[in-house]
Amino acid sequence: GQQVMQIPQYQHVQEGEDFTTYCNSSTTLSNIQWYKQRPGGHPVFLIQLVKSGEVKKQKRLTFQFGEAKKNSSLHITATQTTDVGTYFCAGPGSNFGNEKLTFGTGTRLTIIP
Amino acid sequence: EAQVTQNPRYLITVTGKKLTVTCSQNMNHEYMSWYRQDPGLGLRQIYYSMNVEVTDKGDVPEGYKVSRKEKRNFPLILESPSPNQTSLYFCASRISGSSYEQYFGPGTRLTVT
Repeated sequence: GQQVMQIPQYQHVQEGEDFTTYCNSSTTLSNIQWYKQRPGGHPVFLIQLVKSGEVKKQKRLTFQFGEAKKNSSLHITATQTTDVGTYFCAGPGSNFGNEKLTFGTGTRLTIIP
Repeated sequence: EAQVTQNPRYLITVTGKKLTVTCSQNMNHEYMSWYRQDPGLGLRQIYYSMNVEVTDKGDVPEGYKVSRKEKRNFPLILESPSPNQTSLYFCASRISGSSYEQYFGPGTRLTVT
């Protein structure tokens, strides 16, 4: 079945440093979504990417979707303590349609003040 | 306020005692889904529903049942819970169509002894 891997599993950064998490799928994705989960909270939708090579920005966050639509990345510039949490990517396989969703294993970001 | 609600939020039960976790959304969303979250494994989809009376298996459906008799409700049923179903459960919903933004409930922490 489809697998979605994320690296790294954990990342500790000094406040102000940049952070990147990478997402790799074993199959081509029709789209990819990113979610953030604060400690003790529920996942919150951040963004979706649909087109090959697409890049989207949300303030200090930059999201990319690979040309082959099998990988994606989330980059945070100049991290702040509010960025703490676990970041998940999620995607439906192109063969399954958009109903069944596979989440990545997540990257937990901690900030050292 | 647009939201997804789950009840109960916390539950401790014993092996074999049937239980139901309720999920309700007030956004008139067609799509609803259940996930379980376990350390190191991310979120795994249990079941999803495209609309009333339409349900399908996710990646880990064994030991669970669902029903979708009304658009707003999507209960998760554990007929005979076992300790390996101890987990954090999330319900989510979204509108059908080109947007894949899912709204998650607050989660239900289930412990089966």
